[in-house]
Amino acid sequence: GNSVTQMEGPVTLSEEAFLTINCTYTATGYPSLFWYVQYPGEGLQLLLKATKADDKGSNKGFEATYRKETTSFHLEKGSVQVSDSAVYFCALIHSGNTPLVFGKGTRLSVIA
Amino acid sequence: EPEVTQTPSHQVTQMGQEVILRCVPISNHLYFYWYRQILGQKVEFLVSFYNNEISEKSEIFDDQFSVERPDGSNFTLKIRSTKLEDSAMYFCASSYAASTNEKLFFGSGTQLSVL
Repeated sequence: GNSVTQMEGPVTLSEEAFLTINCTYTATGYPSLFWYVQYPGEGLQLLLKATKADDKGSNKGFEATYRKETTSFHLEKGSVQVSDSAVYFCALIHSGNTPLVFGKGTRLSVIA
Repeated sequence: EPEVTQTPSHQVTQMGQEVILRCVPISNHLYFYWYRQILGQKVEFLVSFYNNEISEKSEIFDDQFSVERPDGSNFTLKIRSTKLEDSAMYFCASSYAASTNEKLFFGSGTQLSVL
C-alpha cells in the first residue's frame, strides 16, 4: 500500500543552520506530495506541496522537490529560525478522493 | 485565516466509557475527516464524511466508532466503549473539495487518554 517514511526526530539545530528532513514514499503511479507543519498548540497546516515529478514546492523559505527516481520529497531550509520550531509531517495523496497518508512527523527544535 | 476548532483539548476517560470528541469545521467546507496519532506512530486516517454520510473509512474505524454532523456546524467522533489502545491525539479536518489540490484545514487536536 501507500506509505511515507520520514527521518526520526527530534532534530535540534542552532539558529541560521541548514535544515534537511528526509522523506521517502511508496506508492504506485504519481501521488501528490505534501509537507504539513504543526506549531505548538495549533493544528496541522499545509506548508508546501508538489503534484508531479520534478515540481518544487516552496513556502516561508522551505523547499521540497518531488523526485520520482528516488521516490523522495526532502524538506530543506537554508537558514532556520527559532520560530520554525514545530513538528513537520510528510504526506501523500494517491488520487483525488483518497485520504492523506502521513509519516510519523519529525520534531524540530531551533535554539538561539 | 479560518480555523477548525476542536474541543476538548484533553480528555481523560476510564476504559469502557463512551467519549465524544467535538469539532467545528470551517463553515463553507463540505468534506470532513478524522485522523488520529498514537504516540510515536504515524498520523492515521479514520474516516471521511460528505453529504451527511461516511464516504470512506479505514480498518481502524470499527463498530466502536461513529461520526455525526448533528446540527450543520458540529462534526463529532464517538467512541462507544473506549479501550486503552484508543489513547491518541485525534485530529479533525475539513476541506471545501476532495481533490488532490485542495488543502485540508486541521484542528489542533484532542488528546484522549484512556485509563
